[in-house]
Amino acid sequence: QVQLQESGPGLVKPSQTLSLTCTVSGGSISSGSYYWSWIRQPAGKGLEWIGRIYTSGSTNYNPSLKSRVTISVDTSKNQFSLKLSSVTAADTAVYYCARDPRWLPGWFDPWGQGTLVTVSS
Amino acid sequence: SYELTQPPSVSVSPGQTARITCSGDALPKKYPYWYQQKSGQAPVLVIYEDSKRPSGIPERFSGSSSGTMATLTISGAQVEDEADYYCYSTDSSGNHWVFGGGTKLTVL
Repeated sequence: QVQLQESGPGLVKPSQTLSLTCTVSGGSISSGSYYWSWIRQPAGKGLEWIGRIYTSGSTNYNPSLKSRVTISVDTSKNQFSLKLSSVTAADTAVYYCARDPRWLPGWFDPWGQGTLVTVSS
Repeated sequence: SYELTQPPSVSVSPGQTARITCSGDALPKKYPYWYQQKSGQAPVLVIYEDSKRPSGIPERFSGSSSGTMATLTISGAQVEDEADYYCYSTDSSGNHWVFGGGTKLTVL
């Protein structure tokens, strides 16, 4: 059974780059036809899709974040990563990683447990 | 950018039918998905491709679509169904996905 686990700094200074990693266990990130996605949720607010990377390495990003987001995959470590540059307090949120299949995009399963990232000096 | 619009809140008494709507211009051509999120937990899929239920989701959850509006219906809502519900879908390109703003369902 595939499991996902987010990791990274819980505190990032304004204007710096937020970097998170999602480690995949119980299966290979390069096997099958899956999208590997990042989703975030500010406290008390709704979910926001950040973007995704396909097994082939192709990416899609939320247009509102596209200029600041990079999602990449490291198959040797069975991980995929999120970088969000020039962060502000508005980027403070719980960040989730998740997987959805190419044949049923939109069905996120599994999800990571989520990791809180606070942007503050 | 593409948007999905949901009502902020819906309230019903136990045993009543709750309906949560989601409107979006691409919904006639793109399937909506519905997620349930309880406090402090990751979301759980309750409806996919308009009206299909994943294994383990109670039959009281159903979905439908008509034109630019999708509806999640909870027939005979239970107290344990209190949660935030999000619709999720993509724009016409299929490459940019978006969540609706979420609807807080209160059952009391």
